[in-house]
Amino acid sequence: GIQVEQSPPDLILQEGANSTLRCNFSDSVNNLQWFHQNPWGQLINLFYIPSGTKQNGRLSATTVATERYSLLYISSSQTTDSGVYFCAVVRQGGSEKLVFGKGTKLTVNP
Amino acid sequence: GAGVSQSPRYKVAKRGQDVALRCDPISGHVSLFWYQQALGQGPEFLTYFQNEAQLDKSGLPSDRFFAERPEGSVSTLKIQRTQQEDSAVYLCASSWTSGGAYEQYFGPGTRLTVT
Repeated sequence: GIQVEQSPPDLILQEGANSTLRCNFSDSVNNLQWFHQNPWGQLINLFYIPSGTKQNGRLSATTVATERYSLLYISSSQTTDSGVYFCAVVRQGGSEKLVFGKGTKLTVNP
Repeated sequence: GAGVSQSPRYKVAKRGQDVALRCDPISGHVSLFWYQQALGQGPEFLTYFQNEAQLDKSGLPSDRFFAERPEGSVSTLKIQRTQQEDSAVYLCASSWTSGGAYEQYFGPGTRLTVT
């Protein structure tokens, strides 16, 4: 099946710092989503981005489908950004299930 | 409703008991998915419905797991004779149509603890 690798696995920042999270995938996809899982376990949709670039406030994401990777940028991080960030994909031509990476655990200190 | 809802939010079961977990998808959403999330891991696919048809159940870990969506809206995930390894968060997601290329929205999950 398709492999999804996220890096780094852990990231510790001071409030106000910027960061880049990476997601590599091993096959063509027709769906790529970034999620933030908050401390209560809720998966919050950040971006639906199978290709191209999107921005939402301090967050932006870029997917280069031909090179099979996606990047999530967080600028001016806040303590409320802490949590686990997941990348998930649906393989093109396969089942419609999302396949998740192992996540990046972000801790933002005041 | 405004989002995907799940009930109960927490369930404690003694080993060997049967449990039933409920998912209410976003109104009108055609596709419904169940995922299992073990502690410290990413969610893993269990099964998928398009309306009332179960199109993929390849992720169900054993025949003790059964899911249904009889009227194409609410879905129930049933686990028979629970085991300790079934302890996890069970997540439900829905998307407005089928085809894979549509955003999935997740509910808050049901945390199952088997003692």
